[in-house]
Amino acid sequence: QQPVQSPQAVILREGEDAVINCSSSKALYSVHWYRQKHGEAPVFLMILLKGGEQKGHEKISASFNEKKQQSSLYLTASQLSYSGTYFCGTGTEGNTGKLIFGQGTTLQVKP
Amino acid sequence: EAGVAQSPRYKIIEKRQSVAFWCNPISGHATLYWYQQILGQGPKLLIQFQNNGVVDDSQLPKDRFSAERLKGVDSTLKIQPAKLEDSAVYLCASSLVGGTYFGPGTRLTVL
Repeated sequence: QQPVQSPQAVILREGEDAVINCSSSKALYSVHWYRQKHGEAPVFLMILLKGGEQKGHEKISASFNEKKQQSSLYLTASQLSYSGTYFCGTGTEGNTGKLIFGQGTTLQVKP
Repeated sequence: EAGVAQSPRYKIIEKRQSVAFWCNPISGHATLYWYQQILGQGPKLLIQFQNNGVVDDSQLPKDRFSAERLKGVDSTLKIQPAKLEDSAVYLCASSLVGGTYFGPGTRLTVL
């Protein structure tokens, strides 16, 4: 079952914040977040393995709510380099490496 | 550390022809994946290897697609014969613990 991402698209000004959500109708065992720029491969951002886990890297962080079967990606004080399409990939029971990706959220940061 | 290597980067073929893609994962990564990404969508897993064994190939169209990882290192994905709907980017990825890393992909166009 493909996870659902929201919103589908976001347009921001530099310095603004954004939240991207990833929801599943099935239990989540792991959530992987990626950013993909046009014509390039997805770049790994972070993985969350436990319910309630939160991680961060510079101004990008994520949370994982196991009960709500949802993960959120937080982009703080966005930079032009944050532009791209963000994908969440959810791992399956017994095989957290087998990822099912959402449809993606396109983020555009303008000067 | 070198990333996931793939070749060729681009391939254009006629329908019903055959094509092969090559992937060399990050050194030491036991798990290797082939994903198909159609324009505007998230990647879809085709096959997952653990060393030289297949872990999951449930979404691989086995009547036309085949993949091997004979020595547990590099891998080849083949399509024979190709259809128009096979036009996509074929991404190879590898993982050890804590994250899956993608190669640059091969963009296949079937005419």
